Amino acid sequence: GQQLNQSPQSMFIQEGEDVSMNCTSSSIFNTWLWYKQDPGEGPVLLIALYKAGELTSNGRLTAQFGITRKDSFLNISASIPSDVGIYFCAGQQISNFGNEKLTFGTGTRLTIIP
Amino acid sequence: NAGVTQTPKFQVLKTGQSMTLQCAQDMNHEYMSWYRQDPGMGLRLIHYSVGAGITDQGEVPNGYNVSRSTTEDFPLRLLSAAPSQTSVYFCASSYNRGFNSPLHFGNGTRLTVT
Repeated sequence: GQQLNQSPQSMFIQEGEDVSMNCTSSSIFNTWLWYKQDPGEGPVLLIALYKAGELTSNGRLTAQFGITRKDSFLNISASIPSDVGIYFCAGQQISNFGNEKLTFGTGTRLTIIP
Repeated sequence: NAGVTQTPKFQVLKTGQSMTLQCAQDMNHEYMSWYRQDPGMGLRLIHYSVGAGITDQGEVPNGYNVSRSTTEDFPLRLLSAAPSQTSVYFCASSYNRGFNSPLHFGNGTRLTVT
């Protein structure tokens, strides 16, 4: 099946630092999505990207849809304690049956060191 | 507005037992789906439904059954539980299966099969 390579797998940072994570694939995607999962909860959508080259912000979060349509990155500026969690990328593409197919990355676990 | 509600939150089964994981949404979403989340694997699609009375298989359907008799409910059945089905299960819904219709996730059911 499809594979999304998400890196890094985990990050340990201090409060106030900037964070950068990315997803790459050998396949082309029509849409890139970034989700965050807090402990004991389901993933929540942070940012959706619909066009190659698109750069979108949501508060301190910025994400970009790569020009090749095979990658995306997420940046978090000036991290705060509530940023702790697991971040997932997901790529959507049209399947052979004309419906969208969603593939998730393996996640980046963000920990803030006191 | 409750969103997507999953029950139970935790469950322990013995090998060979059966059970049903419940999922309900109150957003009048047409599309509903079940994912399993395993360490290092990302989220993998088990089954999905594009509307009441319509279901289809996802990436990892073996060992699971679903039905969609109403728009609101999408239960997942394990007919004969196996240790390989130990996982965290997430139900998700969206307005439709289109690219501009992001998934809303429940808070998950953590299942252990001994």
